[in-house]
Amino acid sequence: EPEVTQTPSHQVTQMGQEVILRCVPISNHLYFYWYRQILGQKVEFLVSFYNNEISEKSEIFDDQFSVERPDGSNFTLKIRSTKLEDSAMYFCASKFTLDSNYGYTFGSGTRLTVV
Amino acid sequence: QKEVEQDPGPLSVPEGAIVSLNCTYSNSAFQYFMWYRQYSRKGPELLMYTYSSGNKEDGRFTAQVDKSSKYISLFIRDSQPSDSATYLCAMIAAGNKLTFGGGTRVLVKP
Repeated sequence: EPEVTQTPSHQVTQMGQEVILRCVPISNHLYFYWYRQILGQKVEFLVSFYNNEISEKSEIFDDQFSVERPDGSNFTLKIRSTKLEDSAMYFCASKFTLDSNYGYTFGSGTRLTVV
Repeated sequence: QKEVEQDPGPLSVPEGAIVSLNCTYSNSAFQYFMWYRQYSRKGPELLMYTYSSGNKEDGRFTAQVDKSSKYISLFIRDSQPSDSATYLCAMIAAGNKLTFGGGTRVLVKP
């Protein structure tokens, strides 16, 4: 069964450093998303991406965050200057069509720890 | 008032029992309703998707939506220890952003 692949599974970084989280969505999917889950809290929407541009973003997704699809297969989330409060699980998801009859497929996540 | 509310549990049941989960929501714009299962340190996995009010069944899972009461439910029949996980409800209004509940932790004891 096709799956969304995320790397690394765990990333430890020092406060103020830049991190890039990587995702390989399912190959024929067109819509890409990042969500995050702070320990013990809800899964929260960060950003959606379609046709090489951001289609929607949350208030969490400020200027410190950026997304990119640098080639035909990867989808990345960059955090420019990490803060302690950025520590969370980050989930990538992809979807074939905007029609909500087709569900999202989530990756297993990257655990980001900012120290 | 939170947009989507879900009892965090934990909900502990004996193997074979029916697991009953629910979420309430406040935003009447929500149109699509989903249930996800999340194992520890894994991503959410879609279990059920519903659009209209009423019931939808898939194997041991039944999803119910009552839009007039802003209430959705998931029932798991003949529960197994492998059903032990966190169950998340999620909803979509317009667009394609999922809004999640906080999740209910379920423990099925052999």
